[in-house]
Amino acid sequence: DTAVSQTPKYLVTQMGNDKSIKCEQNLGHDTMYWYKQDSKKFLKIMFSYNNKELIINETVPNRFSPKSPDKAHLNLHINSLELGDSAVYFCASSQDTWANVLTFGAGSRLTVL
Amino acid sequence: TQLLEQSPQFLSIQEGENLTVYCNSSSVFSSLQWYRQEPGEGPVLLVTVVTGGEVKKLKRLTFQFGDARKDSSLHITAAQPGDTGLYLCAGWFGNTGNQFYFGTGTSLTVIP
Repeated sequence: DTAVSQTPKYLVTQMGNDKSIKCEQNLGHDTMYWYKQDSKKFLKIMFSYNNKELIINETVPNRFSPKSPDKAHLNLHINSLELGDSAVYFCASSQDTWANVLTFGAGSRLTVL
Repeated sequence: TQLLEQSPQFLSIQEGENLTVYCNSSSVFSSLQWYRQEPGEGPVLLVTVVTGGEVKKLKRLTFQFGDARKDSSLHITAAQPGDTGLYLCAGWFGNTGNQFYFGTGTSLTVIP
């Protein structure tokens, strides 16, 4: 049973479209994250939620909107997709917000044409 | 500005060779982690170091945290093809929003 699962694994879409990536964790963790990994493999945090509350919101365009319906789920919705949004998006979770182990999902590769 | 610089960026070696990967910053970490990421997968934690000068071993992997807690190294002895992957260090500063800052990554290829 996958600890952190995200769907879809691959997403190919046209510029201007709106798309969502879903994430679920079954570890009972309180904190969930979205990271973006660019073409150079650099991993940068986008958002962090603790018990459904937003606690970290890095400098991310407001076209990106995370939503956490409960502490086991953190979804990412992206409006008006741009070419530069192409990347691999990783969902992760940790026990809480204090320097814990990050457990990552397998990633969702988004390609914007 | 990258908070954590890793070197080398790419490394291709023969099976059986030794290697060292470095993670450097001008800032002091509260703790530092090393992750390995395989193609098509997310990063997986290898180790966490907390104390300056700390050395941890995981089979053929040796991790060292610098005395000043600004740098770290990962040494692999007798590399094997299964060690191939992207190695990422991640530092936690403790007072910057409770998040990990990832390094620039080192892509290792071990040739059989």
